[in-house]
Amino acid sequence: SQQGEEDPQALSIQEGENATMNCSYKTSINNLQWYRQNSGRGLVHLILIRSNEREKHSGRLRVTLDTSKKSSSLLITASRAADTASYFCATVPANQAGTALIFGKGTTLSVSS
Amino acid sequence: DSGVTQTPKHLITATGQRVTLRCSPRSGDLSVYWYQQSLDQGLQFLIQYYNGEERAKGNILERFSAQQFPDLHSELNLSSLELGDSALYFCASSPGLAPSKQFFGPGTRLTVL
Repeated sequence: SQQGEEDPQALSIQEGENATMNCSYKTSINNLQWYRQNSGRGLVHLILIRSNEREKHSGRLRVTLDTSKKSSSLLITASRAADTASYFCATVPANQAGTALIFGKGTTLSVSS
Repeated sequence: DSGVTQTPKHLITATGQRVTLRCSPRSGDLSVYWYQQSLDQGLQFLIQYYNGEERAKGNILERFSAQQFPDLHSELNLSSLELGDSALYFCASSPGLAPSKQFFGPGTRLTVL
């Protein structure tokens, strides 16, 4: 079963604008990760944030994590047309056998030039 | 290129048939995961192997089975196929048992007619 939800389901912006995607999850986690998928291709890891971290940056990406609200957000600054893709948050639940990722339903981002 | 390879890329078969999907993990990675992506269910974890042993099971049907061989490649066997099994099947790998980022293969698109 899926861990949670992304919000919004779809987002359309212009190049140069910022894009913010939110993710909620249900159980305690070990870490939370964000992945990108370009139209039905393989997923690409973007960033990982551990449960004891609150914010992390990687290039134009900024991720926040609020474990009290069981939520995370991904901010992409100065978006480019090449950022057009689906974005998924995925959690590694705490106290589970194995280290599988539990994915949300994803946000489809469309960046127009 | 993630370093994870999957074959075949596309597979078209009929209901009731059996197919085998193959995955070679990134060099040195001991954990292999299988995920299913469909329009209605989203991305679902199926099963994890670590160094040849089953580590965790997710939403894997009894008609599906997997194994990891001594050379660490893995196979996912799907039998008595139904229309609803049509999906993208992804393999991912990670170095060990620590909950780290995962490297995804390009996927196998299975179409059951």
